[in-house]
Amino acid sequence: EVQLVESGGGLVQPGGSLRLSCAASGFIFSSYGMQWVRQAPGKGLEYVAGISGNGGRTYYGNSVKGRFTISRDNSKNTLYLQMGSLRDEDTAVYYCARVAVWWLHLDYWGQGTLVTVSS
Amino acid sequence: DIQMTQAPSSVSASIGDRVTITCRASRGISTWLAWYQQKPGKAPKVLIYGASALQSGVPSRFSGSGSGTDFTLTISSLQPEDFATYYCQQANSLGTFGPGTKVHI
Repeated sequence: EVQLVESGGGLVQPGGSLRLSCAASGFIFSSYGMQWVRQAPGKGLEYVAGISGNGGRTYYGNSVKGRFTISRDNSKNTLYLQMGSLRDEDTAVYYCARVAVWWLHLDYWGQGTLVTVSS
Repeated sequence: DIQMTQAPSSVSASIGDRVTITCRASRGISTWLAWYQQKPGKAPKVLIYGASALQSGVPSRFSGSGSGTDFTLTISSLQPEDFATYYCQQANSLGTFGPGTKVHI
C-alpha cells in the first residue's frame, strides 16, 4: 500500500526556516517524481515544488523560488522541503504527492502538515 | 507560466443533477490535464488524468473531455458524496492548479 506521511510542520516566525519531510513507503521511491503542494486556510491548491526520481531536476513555483529547496534521499525513501525567509503568506497545509509515471498527475497524496508563520 | 481558470467558481446542485465544470489553460497543453476532488479537511483525490482517463476506483459518473486549452469535467448524476471542491491541474509545465469549483447543495 502506498503511503506518504508528512512531518515537520509547526509555528515559525516570519523570516525563519523550517524543513518538512515526507516519508514514503509501498512503492519504489526512486522511480517516481514527487511534488509539494500547499493550501492556505480557506484557499485553493498551489503548486510549490517538484523533483525528478533521481533528484537531478527540480522545479519551483514563482512564489517560493529562491526561498524553498526541494530534495530527496532515495536511500531513506524521504522527500524534503527546506523553507527559508518565511512569510505570513506561506502559512498553509503542505502536502507531498507522488507524480504518476504516465500523464504526470498526482496519484497519491499525504495527509498534509500545517505550517503557520506568525510572530 | 501557464495560468488555469475554472468556471463556475461555485455551483448549487441537487442529487441526480448533471454538473459540468470547465477549465481553461492560458496556452495549449494537449491533454496534460488532471481533475481532483477535495473534501473539507482531506487531501485531494485524483478523478481524471490525461484529460479523459478515469482513475481506477473512481465511479463512471465522472468523465472528462477536452484538449488544447479547453477542458470539461462532468458528473452525470450527482450523488451525496460528490459535494466537494473540484480542481483542474495542468501537467504540461510545472503543475499549476485552477482556482477550484465548489459543488454544494
